[in-house]
Amino acid sequence: GAVVSQHPSRVICKSGTSVKIECRSLDFQATTMFWYRQFPKKSLMLMATSNEGSKATYEQGVEKDKFLINHASLTLSTLTVTSAHPEDSSFYICSARDFRVGRSYNEQFFGPGTRLTVL
Amino acid sequence: GDSVTQMEGPVTLSEEAFLTINCTYTATGYPSLFWYVQYPGEGLQLLLKATKADDKGSNKGFEATYRKETTSFHLEKGSVQVSDSAVYFCALLNTGNQFYFGTGTSLTVIP
Repeated sequence: GAVVSQHPSRVICKSGTSVKIECRSLDFQATTMFWYRQFPKKSLMLMATSNEGSKATYEQGVEKDKFLINHASLTLSTLTVTSAHPEDSSFYICSARDFRVGRSYNEQFFGPGTRLTVL
Repeated sequence: GDSVTQMEGPVTLSEEAFLTINCTYTATGYPSLFWYVQYPGEGLQLLLKATKADDKGSNKGFEATYRKETTSFHLEKGSVQVSDSAVYFCALLNTGNQFYFGTGTSLTVIP
């Protein structure tokens, strides 16, 4: 199946700094990418939907100025956590939708996730 | 709002045991239902899906049937293997194209 990568896999940063997480679709073009956050023993929470070349759509309660999303190409979306604080520590997962002919329109491929720890 | 509830883990089974992981959902309209699996250190992978009532999704010996009358999509496997050890997520895709995930159930299969 299609492969989605994330980088870095884990990052530790100091409070107040910004952290960028990359999500790449390696063998397909993803016009839509999704960013999720996973809390311990909780389900995945959709943060935002990112469409290539346009502004991201954020879910209610997600601060768009804190979680900056850029989807400049069909294979790359980035999530930047600005002025990170300890409460931003979490597991961030991206996914991408594959629009190749013959693929199910509603199948999403997930990245391996990025563990962010803010000290 | 739409939601998915799945049984809490962790679940520990002996090899060749029967597996059931319960999943129920709340949604308006007719959602599609999914089971995803996350192996250690990897991303979520689609295990199986069903797009309408009474459909049965199956893959790698796992099965789940879309039961609209009970709003359920329980995952079953007749004989688990050590390699099935992973976290399993039930999910729905609603008519607005939004995914909702359960909390995940960790399965450990011991030899």
